Amino acid sequence: GAVVSQHPSRVICKSGTSVKIECRSLDFQATTMFWYRQFPKQSLMLMATSNEGSKATYEQGVEKDKFLINHASLTLSTLTVTSAHPEDSSFYICSAPISGRATDEQFFGPGTRLTVL
Amino acid sequence: RKEVEQDPGPFNVPEGATVAFNCTYSNSASQSFFWYRQDCRKEPKLLMSVYSSGNEDGRFTAQLNRASQYISLLIRDSKLSDSATYLCVVRNSGYSTLTFGKGTMLLVSP
Repeated sequence: GAVVSQHPSRVICKSGTSVKIECRSLDFQATTMFWYRQFPKQSLMLMATSNEGSKATYEQGVEKDKFLINHASLTLSTLTVTSAHPEDSSFYICSAPISGRATDEQFFGPGTRLTVL
Repeated sequence: RKEVEQDPGPFNVPEGATVAFNCTYSNSASQSFFWYRQDCRKEPKLLMSVYSSGNEDGRFTAQLNRASQYISLLIRDSKLSDSATYLCVVRNSGYSTLTFGKGTMLLVSP
């Protein structure tokens, strides 16, 4: 099956710093990637849809200036949490469907656990 | 009403038991339905898609009732390795985004 990687897998940072998370499709191209956030005992919540070569689409309530998304190539999307605060501590997961395929399956990255002190 | 609702559990069952999970969805225009499995602190993984006619994959059987907007997952002969959280997932149209339920936790004991 298709593989999606994320880096870093875990990050601990001080309040006020910015954190960049990378999502890569390793063996397929992805014109679209999705970024989710999951708080403990909660469902995955879609934050934004990342589109290669164009602006990301953010879900209602997600601040685009705080969560910067860049999808510069067909295999890489990045999410930058700017000026992170403790309430941003969460599990961030990306996913990608294989571009051009009428497939239902999205392939998820292993997630990045962010802890803001 | 939440878009996708599930009983959070946990469901505690002994090995070998049969267990069923239910899920309801609010958008009658939803087109695709899935069950994902998520282990603790890991990413979700697709368990199976759910088709209108119902479908089976080994010990797992999924059913869809569009009239009642209800999806079910049946696990037969539970194994210890089945312990996980099972996520009901709905897609509303085409290539659009997925909506996840909070998940139902299953704990299978020896």
